[in-house]
Amino acid sequence: KQEVTQIPAALSVPEGENLVLNCSFTDSAIYNLQWFRQDPGKGLTSLLLIQSSQREQTSGRLNASLDKSSGRSTLYIAASQPGDSATYLCAVRGTGSQGNLIFGKGTKLSVKP
Amino acid sequence: EPEVTQTPSHQVTQMGQEVILRCVPISNHLYFYWYRQILGQKVEFLVSFYNNEISEKSEIFDDQFSVERPDGSNFTLKIRSTKLEDSAMYFCAASRSVNEKLFFGSGTQLSVL
Repeated sequence: KQEVTQIPAALSVPEGENLVLNCSFTDSAIYNLQWFRQDPGKGLTSLLLIQSSQREQTSGRLNASLDKSSGRSTLYIAASQPGDSATYLCAVRGTGSQGNLIFGKGTKLSVKP
Repeated sequence: EPEVTQTPSHQVTQMGQEVILRCVPISNHLYFYWYRQILGQKVEFLVSFYNNEISEKSEIFDDQFSVERPDGSNFTLKIRSTKLEDSAMYFCAASRSVNEKLFFGSGTQLSVL
């Protein structure tokens, strides 16, 4: 059974720092991996989607990498800003699933001005 | 950014009552989903829906749950006889295909008393 783990559970950094969030998954048979952002009391916003055949995806200050064989993904945030403060969730879709995403518990990021 | 709309944003009900949660997916998206998040826990998959049929469901989605697309635009989740443990944030999501980004609504907070 697929398990997704995110480390650390919480992270506090000063504004301007570059940071890395980690995600690991136990079963490498995945179609894709998505990173989401969740603000308190709100829905999930998709940030990046990496297909299983890809190694990384970039959007603005965000870069996500995928190492399927080792079951790991990282989300790199460059030059962090207070507006980046949120919970970041990683989710994988297994092969054979019809859209069933397995989520990690998230990393709660706080960027201090 | 495409939007999925959910109503109501909050729903309070008595144990044993039926509730219907409503969602308006993005118009050109063909795959629809319900997820839920119990406070402090991971986001969990409930069901996926394509071509007016359930395409996948989780163990959580038992006989008390049903989904429907009654009028070609709305997508609903019905819980027939609510239990205390059904209290959670329920998210509707949509995607153009099963392998593309999921777009989430802002959720319905269901409280069962």
